[in-house]
Amino acid sequence: DTEVTQTPKHLVMGMTNKKSLKCEQHMGHRAMYWYKQKAKKPPELMFVYSYEKLSINESVPSRFSPECPNSSLLNLHLHALQPEDSALYLCASSQEGQPNTDTQYFGPGTRLTVL
Amino acid sequence: EDQVTQSPEALRLQEGESSSLNCSYTVSGLRGLFWYRQDPGKGPEFLFTLYSAGEEKEKERLKATLTKKESFLHITAPKPEDSATYLCAVQAGAQKLVFGQGTRLTINP
Repeated sequence: DTEVTQTPKHLVMGMTNKKSLKCEQHMGHRAMYWYKQKAKKPPELMFVYSYEKLSINESVPSRFSPECPNSSLLNLHLHALQPEDSALYLCASSQEGQPNTDTQYFGPGTRLTVL
Repeated sequence: EDQVTQSPEALRLQEGESSSLNCSYTVSGLRGLFWYRQDPGKGPEFLFTLYSAGEEKEKERLKATLTKKESFLHITAPKPEDSATYLCAVQAGAQKLVFGQGTRLTINP
């Protein structure tokens, strides 16, 4: 089973709202990722958690705040977003720790619209 | 700088017409090359991981190959349901993927 789940599927929020995106995997993977994808562009890495610790932050604005409550869950807290933040937000996970275990498996994404 | 270039940007084929997608890369120390399929509005679906030159992997109508400079995704006798964007990515450093811009494939019935 290589399933990563994300909720909600769609989210519409105003610029003053606070909302959260959720991601879950039960594959025993120890690395989890947040990506942002704009239309007709490839995914752009935002954050990486490895063994529940933030290992990479790609200079993402502070209005995006990641959280990894445990090895299966990843959240992305959103606050005071701008319309240009509207995009498909993707979560991914990978096994880590062993040779040739770098394959990242993606979830279905959350379509975010900021009004 | 690590770089991935995919060609063509878009490809239209008739059902049953075989073809190949190209992924050229420059990277210092390849740890893996990945192919994904992405349907509109959905997350990328994993297809293949290739680790070393000469490696080949197959899945249904798809076959991926790897050399020291490029990878090919061969599509044999495609069907309309194979229409999607195909993404190539390389991993150079730990946990970071460098993606190409993708090839939008359309298979006409």
